[in-house]
Amino acid sequence: GESVGLHLPTLSVQEGDNSIINCAYSNSASDYFIWYKQESGKGPQFIIDIRSNMDKRQGQRVTVLLNKTVKHLSLQIAATQPGDSAVYFCAESYTGRRALTFGSGTRLQVQP
Amino acid sequence: DAGVTQSPTHLIKTRGQHVTLRCSPISGHKSVSWYQQVLGQGPQFIFQYYEKEERGRGNFPDRFSARQFPNYSSELNVNALLLGDSALYLCASSLSGAKTQYFGPGTRLLVL
Repeated sequence: GESVGLHLPTLSVQEGDNSIINCAYSNSASDYFIWYKQESGKGPQFIIDIRSNMDKRQGQRVTVLLNKTVKHLSLQIAATQPGDSAVYFCAESYTGRRALTFGSGTRLQVQP
Repeated sequence: DAGVTQSPTHLIKTRGQHVTLRCSPISGHKSVSWYQQVLGQGPQFIFQYYEKEERGRGNFPDRFSARQFPNYSSELNVNALLLGDSALYLCASSLSGAKTQYFGPGTRLLVL
């Protein structure tokens, strides 16, 4: 069946360093991917998304990379700040599917 | 502009009771989706509604039902509550035909 998973449950980085959060997916039909940030007690907050016709997309301090060959995507956060501490989820969907399928999340801890 | 709003924020029920959760989408968004997030896991898709019609349903029992109103707000109903229904219930809205979903803060349901 389809699944979206994350390699590392917890990532600890120093303030100012760059962070890389990885995500693997198994459904070859997936053509839309999205990253969310969820702080404690809050709903998921949209960060950035990417479609399968792209392999890279940049936002403010964030970059998403998509490697369709190995079914892998990553979220890069530049100059990580304490406010970036949260759980990060990748999610995927495909044409014709209404829902997003989420992975289990990676907790990012930023050390001052 | 207001984001997705949900009510109530917290709710405590006992087994066998029923519950109604409410959601108002972002202004201009006509599609509403419901997700269940159990502690420590990613959100799981329950329903999607568009223009008052159900457009998608996840793997949840018939105890779960929903509807969407002419103003695009939505209700999620759960009957015969079980302890395992304790979770954060998230509502997300999106523009017609768009994949990007924006989440509300959620309703935390505790079933005793």
